[in-house]
Amino acid sequence: AQSVTQPDIHITVSEGASLELRCNYSYGATPYLFWYVQSPGQGLQLLLKYFSGDTLVQGIKGFEAEFKRSQSSFNLRKPSVHWSDAAEYFCAVDSGGYQKVTFGTGTKLQVIP
Amino acid sequence: DAGVTQSPTHLIKTRGQQVTLRCSPKSGHDTVSWYQQALGQGPQFIFQYYEEEERQRGNFPDRFSGHQFPNYSSELNVNALLLGDSALYLCASSASLGTDPDTQYFGPGTRLTVL
Repeated sequence: AQSVTQPDIHITVSEGASLELRCNYSYGATPYLFWYVQSPGQGLQLLLKYFSGDTLVQGIKGFEAEFKRSQSSFNLRKPSVHWSDAAEYFCAVDSGGYQKVTFGTGTKLQVIP
Repeated sequence: DAGVTQSPTHLIKTRGQQVTLRCSPKSGHDTVSWYQQALGQGPQFIFQYYEEEERQRGNFPDRFSGHQFPNYSSELNVNALLLGDSALYLCASSASLGTDPDTQYFGPGTRLTVL
């Protein structure tokens, strides 16, 4: 069965600093991978996705993620964090495109001035 | 172009009651999935509807049922509510064909509180 691990429950960064959120997945083949962001009390917004091809994918709001098959990872990065990036971030995996998506437990990002 | 919409926004029920949540997919989408997100957790897949039939199901009891209508909108029904059913219920839609298949777009959710 597929699974997703987000090892960091809570991360605090200073505004303007760089950010990396970790995500590890468990699945035999190449999965479909996603990062979503959720503001308090809101639904999920898709930041970016990886299906195949270039392992470095660009998303909205200046985010990018890199798929590393050897490490079963799909870490999310941003070079300079803005206060508006404070939210909860979810990594998700879909095995083979059947849309039965498994989410990680999320990483809550706090941005301090 | 409207995104995924859900109704109602909030709902309060008591144990043992039944509830129906509604979802309208994004324009051009024909597949609807439902997720339950308990407080402090990631969303968990309940089931998915395509062509008015349940295509996949997660690890949820039969108290959770659904329906998809010819216009692709969907309902989630939960019978015999338990306190543990309190959660944010998210609807996601996707297109089986086209330029962006297999990518789910989420609605704002319905917050269900069971007392």
